[in-house]
Amino acid sequence: SQQGEEDPQALSIQEGENATMNCSYKTSINNLQWYRQNSGRGLVHLILIRSNEREKHSGRLRVTLDTSKKSSSLLITASRAADTASYFCATGGGSYIPTFGRGTSLIVHP
Amino acid sequence: DSGVTQTPKHLITATGQRVTLRCSPRSGDLSVYWYQQSLDQGLQFLIQYYNGEERAKGNILERFSAQQFPDLHSELNLSSLELGDSALYFCASSALGTANTGELFFGEGSRLTVL
Repeated sequence: SQQGEEDPQALSIQEGENATMNCSYKTSINNLQWYRQNSGRGLVHLILIRSNEREKHSGRLRVTLDTSKKSSSLLITASRAADTASYFCATGGGSYIPTFGRGTSLIVHP
Repeated sequence: DSGVTQTPKHLITATGQRVTLRCSPRSGDLSVYWYQQSLDQGLQFLIQYYNGEERAKGNILERFSAQQFPDLHSELNLSSLELGDSALYFCASSALGTANTGELFFGEGSRLTVL
């Protein structure tokens, strides 16, 4: 299984702070993706990082990938209340089916 | 709007019954994935279809079945329903097959409640 496992399970911060969540996986990958899910809604793709990339930025999002440690991190800078959601990582590529962990539940307090 | 349409949005039924969930993928996407999300199990991959053919199976129960039709829409059939089948069922689509899985586009889900 290529299941990503997110850590921490829950994160509570104040608006304006940075939020960092981590993802670990088990075997080699072609890419790693981060998704966001607002409560009870569908997942929305945030960013994809390929195995030959080490860092990627998209707006207030910064993703890093360390293939030697089989881990990735998602940093949301200057968090807003609207960032409150669950965040999932998924590994993919090759013959792998994107599989998801339980996610990190982020609460940003106004 | 992801472009993936799922119906019905909500469904309440009784144990032992059978339901069908429908998914229309984004225009042009050939791959359809079904996932089940429950509080205790997280987001579980059920099954994938690519251009009408089953490509991969995950944790799908024998009571569940799926198919993808020539127009690429997909249906997930759940039978002999049990209380534990209550969950959000998501459909996702992508342009690619398993050869190089890219971004998934998720529908808003079908919330199934089994009483």
